[in-house]
Amino acid sequence: KQEVTQIPAALSVPEGENLVLNCSFTDSAIYNLQWFRQDPGKGLTSLLLIQSSQREQTSGRLNASLDKSSGRSTLYIAASQPGDSATYLCAVRPNAGNMLTFGGGTRLMVKP
Amino acid sequence: GAGVSQSPSNKVTEKGKDVELRCDPISGHTALYWYRQSLGQGLEFLIYFQGNSAPDKSGLPSDRFSAERTGGSVSTLTIQRTQQEDSAVYLCASSFIRAGGNGYTFGSGTRLTVV
Repeated sequence: KQEVTQIPAALSVPEGENLVLNCSFTDSAIYNLQWFRQDPGKGLTSLLLIQSSQREQTSGRLNASLDKSSGRSTLYIAASQPGDSATYLCAVRPNAGNMLTFGGGTRLMVKP
Repeated sequence: GAGVSQSPSNKVTEKGKDVELRCDPISGHTALYWYRQSLGQGLEFLIYFQGNSAPDKSGLPSDRFSAERTGGSVSTLTIQRTQQEDSAVYLCASSFIRAGGNGYTFGSGTRLTVV
């Protein structure tokens, strides 16, 4: 059974810092990995999708990497802003099957 | 539509009543998923629809939960005889078929409170 773990569970940083969120998964037979953002009381917003054959994806200040063989992904946020404050979730989609398995999330607070 | 639409956004119901939650996926998305997020918990898979195939119901927590998808588009999640432990945010997502490798698009969710 796939298990997805996110570390740290919570993170508080001053504005302007670069930061790294970590996601690890136990079964490397994944089809893709997706990073989401969730604001309080809201649904999930997709940030980046990495296919299993890819090593990284970039969007603006966000960069996500994938090391499938070691079961790890990182989300790098450059020059953090208070508006980045949210919960960040990673989810993996298996090669066989259709459901995403989610990590528990990292709750990020960027202080002005 | 431009995104996944869920209604109602909030629902408060008395214990023992039935509720229906609606999801309108992105036009053209053949796959539709329901997830549940309880307070302080991660996302829990409930059910998956793909085209005209039989749905994957493996995540439904009890026989009080059921879902249908009419015409390959709108889906309704029904919870019968609601219990307080059913209180959660119910999220719907849709995607293209997996061959395209596209990710999921989520709706804003329905926050269900059973009192």
